[in-house]
Amino acid sequence: NAGVTQTPKFRVLKTGQSMTLLCAQDMNHEYMYWYRQDPGMGLRLIHYSVGEGTTAKGEVPDGYNVSRLKKQNFLLGLESAAPSQTSVYFCASTPAGGRQPQHFGDGTRLSIL
Amino acid sequence: EDQVTQSPEALRLQEGESSSLNCSYTVSGLRGLFWYRQDPGKGPEFLFTLYSAGEEKEKERLKATLTKKESFLHITAPKPEDSATYLCAVQVAGGTSYGKLTFGQGTILTVHP
Repeated sequence: NAGVTQTPKFRVLKTGQSMTLLCAQDMNHEYMYWYRQDPGMGLRLIHYSVGEGTTAKGEVPDGYNVSRLKKQNFLLGLESAAPSQTSVYFCASTPAGGRQPQHFGDGTRLSIL
Repeated sequence: EDQVTQSPEALRLQEGESSSLNCSYTVSGLRGLFWYRQDPGKGPEFLFTLYSAGEEKEKERLKATLTKKESFLHITAPKPEDSATYLCAVQVAGGTSYGKLTFGQGTILTVHP
């Protein structure tokens, strides 16, 4: 049982380049989330989805887009990367209802030069 | 605005030296408080959920408690393998919370042999 899988694990981009981070979960969870983690800032919610075909903004959504075309996948896109987006990105999922704990992937470490 | 503050930022213990980590929160209504452990290069790993004041949960050397304003993670006779960052997160009550979590900055625990 893989749980939550994130790809890629590491990536270096140049300012202005675009890329997509993939999150896949095999637990049939309804809710999925994208966070970024920066030193001293804790985990901050970027976007989330409460079901296939639905997305919503979190605390820090600017500069990011997301899509949830399939229930098991949640994509995070950076259209024009900026150095301020250098961070570690985590995906999480949880069953519908929201009282269950979120299950996290192992993160994507992204550097923007 | 919902706020979660963890203290201390870092804690260094000798093996066998018991201590506590603090998580103070200010929310409009608490639906649940979650504790996670995070190892370097990994995603957060779920430890406990606490739902109401007075509740306690235990797992091996860890014990989590909850009051109306804060939660404590007590570590009894820690071992070097307990070294990690411990994260606290709150889930706010309300019909549109969708399981969203607000995280504290974390406490970095180092246990020396």
